[in-house]
Amino acid sequence: DAEITQSPRHKITETGRQVTLACHQTWNHNNMFWYRQDLGHGLRLIHYSYGVHDTNKGEVSDGYSVSRSNTEDLPLTLESAASSQTSVYFCASSETFNQPQHFGDGTRLSIL
Amino acid sequence: EDKVVQSPLSLVVHEGDTVTLNCSYEVTNFRSLLWYKQEKKAPTFLFMLTSSGIEKKSGRLSSILDKKELSSILNITATQTGDSAIYLCAVEHNNNDMRFGAGTRLTVKP
Repeated sequence: DAEITQSPRHKITETGRQVTLACHQTWNHNNMFWYRQDLGHGLRLIHYSYGVHDTNKGEVSDGYSVSRSNTEDLPLTLESAASSQTSVYFCASSETFNQPQHFGDGTRLSIL
Repeated sequence: EDKVVQSPLSLVVHEGDTVTLNCSYEVTNFRSLLWYKQEKKAPTFLFMLTSSGIEKKSGRLSSILDKKELSSILNITATQTGDSAIYLCAVEHNNNDMRFGAGTRLTVKP
């Protein structure tokens, strides 16, 4: 079955380090998204992509970057991790506009 | 500023009760409103609503959109302990940008 997988599931790192979270989907979806989920804020959009080589900033993009070199993957990079970026990160994909997004199981990131 | 507000933030009921969860929104260029259920991990899709006044139904769950009032409700009848979860409302606007509410945490007690 097609799926969307995130790795790692959990990560602990130190402030100032570069961190990359992986997201891989096998649905061949054009649209991919990264969210962070924090208590009291729900899910907030970080970056999204409509296809290969396309990336767009979301609501909370500062301190994050993404690249889309193929259809299946959208890695999220924290250039210099900050404690405020401790969160649960979800990746999602959708076939096209007006289609529901399918979510991965999340990555819990702790920055000490 | 675009925003999605859900109420109540949390709710505790007993099995068999009926619950109504609310979602109101203020966004530019509304496209659709979606409901998700989140248990321990990934949110799972429940409904997508694009037209006002048309109820979508799946078993004991139903939802309806009111574009005039900029709101939606999610109803769950005859609740079960397995309905305990966080219910997320999201509004899609402006070229697939998605804005989520903070969620309603539903606890169903036996």
